Amino acid sequence: AQSVTQLDSQVPVFEEAPVELRCNYSSSVSVYLFWYVQYPNQGLQLLLKYLSGSTLVKGINGFEAEFNKSQTSFHLRKPSVHISDTAEYFCAVKKGAQKLVFGQGTRLTINP
Amino acid sequence: NAGVTQTPKFQVLKTGQSMTLQCAQDMNHNSMYWYRQDPGMGLRLIYYSASEGTTDKGEVPNGYNVSRLNKREFSLRLESAAPSQTSVYFCASSEASNPNYGYTFGSGTRLTVV
Repeated sequence: AQSVTQLDSQVPVFEEAPVELRCNYSSSVSVYLFWYVQYPNQGLQLLLKYLSGSTLVKGINGFEAEFNKSQTSFHLRKPSVHISDTAEYFCAVKKGAQKLVFGQGTRLTINP
Repeated sequence: NAGVTQTPKFQVLKTGQSMTLQCAQDMNHNSMYWYRQDPGMGLRLIYYSASEGTTDKGEVPNGYNVSRLNKREFSLRLESAAPSQTSVYFCASSEASNPNYGYTFGSGTRLTVV
């Protein structure tokens, strides 16, 4: 069974600084990869997804992620964060038609 | 607006009480899911329904039951609530056969069992 590890439970950064949220997955076969964002007291929204093709995926709100098959990673990045990016971010993996498996989440806190 | 609707948004139960969490989607999705979210543990799948008329256990099914009433509705029942079931519950739906769609989530039900 596949699993997802988000290496940081909390990431504090200053406004306008770059950020990287790390995600590693375990699977010996091709998978689909997703990042979801959860703003305070809300449900999860899809940020971006990797299905195939280009390994650099661009999502909403200026986020992007790079799929690295050799390192089984799918790290999320943003070159300059804003206060409104404060949220919890979840990496998730899906193999074919199987169910999504989520990581533990990373809480991103933006300090002014 | 199209999406997944969960009711209620908040609930407080006493230990031993029962309740049903409701979920409905209007996107004509075949698959529906119930997750619970606990601090530091991400989202864990309780039950899912791949299509109307079928349900299967997920990672943490103990203490819960589900009903896929029709294609739109998927309810989660706690027969005898326990404090360990204090959590935020999310319903989601998808076209499982097509990963392009991902999952669409409801806004959650915050349940406290005292």
